[in-house]
Amino acid sequence: DAKTTQPPSMDCAEGRAANLPCNHSTISGNEYVYWYRQIHSQGPQYIIHGLKNNETNEMASLIITEDRKSSTLILPHATLRDTAVYYCIVRVAISFQKLVFGTGTRLLVSP
Amino acid sequence: SQTIHQWPATLVQPVGSPLSLECTVEGTSNPNLYWYRQAAGRGLQLLFYSVGIGQISSEVPQNLSASRPQDRQFILSSKKLLLSDSGFYLCAWSTQGGSPLHFGNGTRLTVT
Repeated sequence: DAKTTQPPSMDCAEGRAANLPCNHSTISGNEYVYWYRQIHSQGPQYIIHGLKNNETNEMASLIITEDRKSSTLILPHATLRDTAVYYCIVRVAISFQKLVFGTGTRLLVSP
Repeated sequence: SQTIHQWPATLVQPVGSPLSLECTVEGTSNPNLYWYRQAAGRGLQLLFYSVGIGQISSEVPQNLSASRPQDRQFILSSKKLLLSDSGFYLCAWSTQGGSPLHFGNGTRLTVT
């Protein structure tokens, strides 16, 4: 699995958009970008994933650059409950899920 | 809808005692099942995965073992716990087609 680089921490004001970046410059053509988050003392929660097109669901939007070497997870209106560690992972979707979690980005949403 | 159940939520065990953590999945058939461990302040480490009944693969040598006696049941065990076995243990599942992983709420194990 390709490695990813994320900032260790970010702050966001409640109600504002939170934009979490991820670099994956060695990503292969068949590897997807997955985002998970982990709220303190809970299991990781799947957020969204994509290959090369931008994706949106009820939780977030995923913007992948044209060269696929980086992506941004967007929480459009951050709430206090979005405070968590966010993990960006790249992997092939067709194999079993041997996810390699890095240290992620600790997002703190403040009032 | 699919759900994953993991228990107990917390556990305190003395060194040398046995361990059995159970995980069950509902609402899906023939899932891939996983055990991860998260040490305090660190990322997740894959311990075991299973693609079917009785099929267990181990990722790291350790004091733990896993079993899958039924399609949707995954058990993590140890005969004698070590202090280093303390951590947050997470069970997860995915479909065989490679869908995203879905995690349980974890078991926080403290070995004293």
